Amino acid sequence: GNSVTQMEGPVTLSEEAFLTINCTYTATGYPSLFWYVQYPGEGLQLLLKATKADDKGSNKGFEATYRKETTSFHLEKGSVQVSDSAVYFCALMNRWSGNTGKLIFGQGTTLQVKP
Amino acid sequence: NAGVMQNPRHLVRRRGQEARLRCSPMKGHSHVYWYRQLPEEGLKFMVYLQKENIIDESGMPKERFSAEFPKEGPSILRIQQVVRGDSAAYFCASSAQDQETQYFGPGTRLLVL
Repeated sequence: GNSVTQMEGPVTLSEEAFLTINCTYTATGYPSLFWYVQYPGEGLQLLLKATKADDKGSNKGFEATYRKETTSFHLEKGSVQVSDSAVYFCALMNRWSGNTGKLIFGQGTTLQVKP
Repeated sequence: NAGVMQNPRHLVRRRGQEARLRCSPMKGHSHVYWYRQLPEEGLKFMVYLQKENIIDESGMPKERFSAEFPKEGPSILRIQQVVRGDSAAYFCASSAQDQETQYFGPGTRLLVL
């Protein structure tokens, strides 16, 4: 089946620290991979995506590379800010023929950035 | 260009009442997905609809829950005879085509007393 596993949170960092949030997946076929961010009391915002192996998604200083050999899509940022504090969700969409476009989410990782 | 709209943002119901959650997709989008987020958990897929059709309801509880997306008007997620375990945030997402990027609304936070 399809599943996504994220590292346990919360992750607490000081401002300007390097961020990695691990995400691994299990899927049949050729999934697309996504990172969404959820700020307190709000809905999910698409942060970045990658649709095939070796693609790198990037946005607002965040990056993630689709690694088929390790079935991973780790999120990284070189220098976090207090405003990056949020919950981050890794998700996959399995584009295997016959599947609909439902998203399978990881459990979410809370990031707290302290000044 | 308005995003995905959901209302109400907060809904309080007593056990046994009905809850109706509305979702208006982004302009030009005809594919709607509903997800549920239980406290301290990730989002779980519930149902996928196109105009006037339910395409995939594999995540919907078998009883008390129903969804529709009429030709005119918003998509509706309906929960009959709510129980405390229905308390959650319900998110709607829309896309222009199936298997395309989904954009999420702000969610409806349902509290069952």
